[in-house]
Amino acid sequence: AQSVTQPDIHITVSEGASLELRCNYSYGATPYLFWYVQSPGQGLQLLLKYFSGDTLVQGIKGFEAEFKRSQSSFNLRKPSVHWSDAAEYFCAVGGTQAGTALIFGKGTTLSVSS
Amino acid sequence: EAGVAQSPRYKIIEKRQSVAFWCNPISGHATLYWYQQILGQGPKLLIQFQNNGVVDDSQLPKDRFSAERLKGVDSTLKIQPAKLEDSAVYLCASSLDQSRGDGYTFGSGTRLTVV
Repeated sequence: AQSVTQPDIHITVSEGASLELRCNYSYGATPYLFWYVQSPGQGLQLLLKYFSGDTLVQGIKGFEAEFKRSQSSFNLRKPSVHWSDAAEYFCAVGGTQAGTALIFGKGTTLSVSS
Repeated sequence: EAGVAQSPRYKIIEKRQSVAFWCNPISGHATLYWYQQILGQGPKLLIQFQNNGVVDDSQLPKDRFSAERLKGVDSTLKIQPAKLEDSAVYLCASSLDQSRGDGYTFGSGTRLTVV
């Protein structure tokens, strides 16, 4: 079955420290992978996406993610976290065929301490 | 470009009442999605449209939920009658071309509270 697992429900990071959010997926075909961020009361904003090619992808706001096929993972990273990064982060997997809408993980809530 | 518009932003209704949500996708986006996001969970797909045709409604509780996309543009999602467990944020999203793996653009959502 197709699924996305985000093992960490809540993470707290000090401002200026590095961040890594974990994502593991199960998908029958070659997956397309996404990371979205959701601030309170807002819709989801696309941070970055992976389709093919270079397994390290750069996104907005200084985020990057690395696709590791052997580990079925697509972890999100940021070298230095800012207080404004506090939000909920969702990993999603999908395909390009009609009827294969994105499947989301349950999300990881990021808190940033000063 | 204008984003995905949704209304209303908030709605409180009593159980067994009916409610409708509206979504206007980004101009030119052929694919439209309705997701349900229960507090503490990730979004779950309810229905997917390609133009004005339904592609996937396998997770839509059809005994109480209905959706349509007239003329392949705007869409409405209706719940009748509502249950307490329908309390959630209903997100509408659209994408230009799913076959290219485009990401979705989400609206701000409608927060429904059923009391």
